[in-house]
Amino acid sequence: DTGVSQDPRHKITKRGQNVTFRCDPISEHNRLYWYRQTLGQGPEFLTYFQNEAQLEKSRLLSDRFSAERPKGSFSTLEIQRTEQGDSAMYLCASSSTGQSGELFFGEGSRLTVL
Amino acid sequence: AQKITQTQPGMFVQEKEAVTLDCTYDTSDPSYGLFWYKQPSSGEMIFLIYQGSYDQQNATEGRYSLNFQKARKSANLVISASQLGDSAMYFCAMRAFQAGTALIFGKGTTLSVSS
Repeated sequence: DTGVSQDPRHKITKRGQNVTFRCDPISEHNRLYWYRQTLGQGPEFLTYFQNEAQLEKSRLLSDRFSAERPKGSFSTLEIQRTEQGDSAMYLCASSSTGQSGELFFGEGSRLTVL
Repeated sequence: AQKITQTQPGMFVQEKEAVTLDCTYDTSDPSYGLFWYKQPSSGEMIFLIYQGSYDQQNATEGRYSLNFQKARKSANLVISASQLGDSAMYFCAMRAFQAGTALIFGKGTTLSVSS
């Protein structure tokens, strides 16, 4: 059983460029989450999918951010026209259906915007 | 709105001692779950323990126990017999079931275990 995998692990980009992150959840999990974590802070919720449907979006998810989960498997998080304030660790997590199901996190994709 | 508060930025403990990490929460949802995660310096988030709002007994998982005081809205994590490998950031999180399924995290507490 492989865990949640994220790619790339590190991304350095210049301000104004677009970046895309990919997340492959645990195969039997139908829920997928994206979080953002800055240094010394807890993860902040961005968005959540159940299968291919995006069911929740945080106010943090500005119109420069878009997430997809085609076919209910892997997910992508795209940031357009990156800003220095977007520099953070982007964490993906997945879980099975159920209220007490814990989230299993990937190792994250660290974004640095110069 | 849901909120998690962790008031201890850092805690220091010696090996083999017990330590309590504080967590208070706020929600109007009668049904919710409380979680603790560990994040070592390597960055991965590791699930430790879960407590449901209707669970009658405090959750325990090995050296971890959750001191759940519903009336006080607190969900403190107790680590018994600390080990050097326990040095990490610890996050308390909550899911309010009527409000949605997202986990809301606190700002975390850094635990340092010394020999």
